[in-house]
Amino acid sequence: DGGITQSPKYLFRKEGQNVTLSCEQNLNHDAMYWYRQDPGQGLRLIYYSQIVNDFQKGDIAEGYSVSREKKESFPLTVTSAQKNPTAFYLCASSIGGTTQETQYFGPGTRLLVL
Amino acid sequence: AQSVTQLDSHVSVSEGTPVLLRCNYSSSYSPSLFWYVQHPNKGLQLLLKYTSAATLVKGINGFEAEFKKSETSFHLTKPSAHMSDAAEYFCVVSGAYGQNFVFGPGTRLSVLP
Repeated sequence: DGGITQSPKYLFRKEGQNVTLSCEQNLNHDAMYWYRQDPGQGLRLIYYSQIVNDFQKGDIAEGYSVSREKKESFPLTVTSAQKNPTAFYLCASSIGGTTQETQYFGPGTRLLVL
Repeated sequence: AQSVTQLDSHVSVSEGTPVLLRCNYSSSYSPSLFWYVQHPNKGLQLLLKYTSAATLVKGINGFEAEFKKSETSFHLTKPSAHMSDAAEYFCVVSGAYGQNFVFGPGTRLSVLP
């Protein structure tokens, strides 16, 4: 059963702590994306990767980091430098990185600050 | 640069009545346009997409949208609302590359019994 999985569903962060959100896909897609969603707003792009071992900053990359060591995996780390991390985080993938390709989304991770 | 305006933050309809969710876009390129639906605390699911083929696009669950270049609009419609349609709907315009997916702020659809 192909798709995108994200874990955990809920994540709690203490002040000054780094936390990592997992995103895995078995769709054999080259491109992967991380978005942040805040209430009443659309999604904003944090990072994207069009190929293994390469990734680029999106619109709101400050305070976040990523890696892309495997095609299937694109973990996102929320660092202590991100002062307002409470949000819903969505991972997506597409076959490639061109304009007409549909992005498929995972179920999301909700990050809360203790 | 691309931008998306969703004209209504909240739309409320009665079950069995038509649905209209409005979207206007701005794009420097010939755009690809998408509608996604999000149920509470879930990921986004693709409803339909326009990619310069037919201007009337049919999607899942009875939804359709019409691309009108002269009006720069891509409104989403459904003839008869169902309770299960209650969700958040996002209009998306894509530029030259996938990283240029630009999301509208969303329209929350409520369906009253």
